[in-house]
Amino acid sequence: QQQVKQSPQSLIVQKGGISIINCAYENTAFDYFPWYQQFPGKGPALLIAIRPDVSEKKEGRFTISFNKSAKQFSLHIMDSQPGDSATYFCAAKKSNSGYALNFGKGTSLLVTP
Amino acid sequence: EPEVTQTPSHQVTQMGQEVILRCVPISNHLYFYWYRQILGQKVEFLVSFYNNEISEKSEIFDDQFSVERPDGSNFTLKIRSTKLEDSAMYFCASSSGYENYGYTFGSGTRLTVV
Repeated sequence: QQQVKQSPQSLIVQKGGISIINCAYENTAFDYFPWYQQFPGKGPALLIAIRPDVSEKKEGRFTISFNKSAKQFSLHIMDSQPGDSATYFCAAKKSNSGYALNFGKGTSLLVTP
Repeated sequence: EPEVTQTPSHQVTQMGQEVILRCVPISNHLYFYWYRQILGQKVEFLVSFYNNEISEKSEIFDDQFSVERPDGSNFTLKIRSTKLEDSAMYFCASSSGYENYGYTFGSGTRLTVV
C-alpha cells in the first residue's frame, strides 16, 4: 500500500521557471509533511516542512501548499536554477517522534540553463 | 553543521555473509533510524530506535536484521545472512525529537551483495 503518491516522476524546467511537484497522502493520522532534496551519492536533506494547521509555508524560493481536505500538498520552486537539479521526495508521518517517514517515489528535476 | 556519519561508504559482500553497517548519529539526538533505497526507487523505512529499544519497524525489517547501539555514539545495522535483494543504499538518520528540526540523514552506505 502506497501511503504517499508523488508526481510527476520527472520534470524539466527552464532556468527562471517554476517547478511544481505534487503529492497526495491517504492516512489522516499524518500531520507532518516534509520535502527532501537528494543529490546523487548523498542522503536526503530536509528542504522545508509543513503541518496541517497552515495552508502554505514559504522559505526563500521554496513554497509548500497544503490542502487538508483533499489530502494533497505540493512543492513550488520559484525562479528555478540549474543548482536545483536533484531528486525531490515528499514525505509524511505522524508527528510524534520515532514514527516512520513515508516517502513518495521521488521526482527527478532537471533545470536547464 | 552537525552531521550523521556512516561507514563504510561502499561495501561488497558475498550472498549469505553477515554485514554490519555503522552510523554515528548527531550527538544530542535521541531517535535513530535506518532507511534503505534500492537504486532508482523511493526511500523505505526499516526501523526506528529510541531509549535502547526498537520503537517501530517495517515489514522489511525481518529476523535477518538487527540494530544495536553498542556505546554512546555508534548505531549499527546488522544483516545476518545477506541476499541479493538486500543490495541497496542504506541511510542512517537521527532526530532530536523536536519535529521542527526534522531528520538528518547520513550520506549512506552502498551495499552490494554478489
